[in-house]
Amino acid sequence: AAGVIQSPRHLIKEKRETATLKCYPIPRHDTVYWYQQGPGQDPQFLISFYEKMQSDKGSIPDRFSAQQFSDYHSELNMSSLELGDSALYFCASSFGRNTGELFFGEGSRLTVL
Amino acid sequence: AQSVTQPDIHITVSEGASLELRCNYSYGATPYLFWYVQSPGQGLQLLLKYFSGDTLVQGIKGFEAEFKRSQSSFNLRKPSVHWSDAAEYFCAVGAPRAAGNKLTFGGGTRVLVKP
Repeated sequence: AAGVIQSPRHLIKEKRETATLKCYPIPRHDTVYWYQQGPGQDPQFLISFYEKMQSDKGSIPDRFSAQQFSDYHSELNMSSLELGDSALYFCASSFGRNTGELFFGEGSRLTVL
Repeated sequence: AQSVTQPDIHITVSEGASLELRCNYSYGATPYLFWYVQSPGQGLQLLLKYFSGDTLVQGIKGFEAEFKRSQSSFNLRKPSVHWSDAAEYFCAVGAPRAAGNKLTFGGGTRVLVKP
């Protein structure tokens, strides 16, 4: 069965650079969630989209933005990168906003040098 | 707002021994509850979930969890641990009728398995 696809899987950037992470949800899933997991930390909710509209917002820095496109894939844009942005970024998807179960991708590991 | 507490940061268990990981949640109604496992540098794999009904939930890899409303707990158990169970385990709570279906994770419990 198709799963959530995230790209790139690994990304290395310098401070103050910009990075873009992509997420392709499971087919027919209309809701996408972004989580950030710092080293040794639990995943923290950043933002979610339902039917291409922002659904909920968590602890996403102002330097970050995200959107969901017409094909339901989502992109997380991170600018003015800081060392503390080094983390594993997870995308998850679900069909609808109230189904309860999220399906997670393998994550994109961002390293900021 | 929902929250999750995993009181044990690390647990060391011998191979073949039983394992129990504790999870306590805070939420105003009956939440959706999940256990995920994460191997180093890997993604989150769903072990099991509780939405409603039978409070004893069976999952993959021989894991089970029991929802106890009176204790606001959802502890994970495995009768006999294998070396491959060494990983980090996250309990998570969802608020299905609140904003957005998002999950809130506990701090995680790292399980080490001794031969």
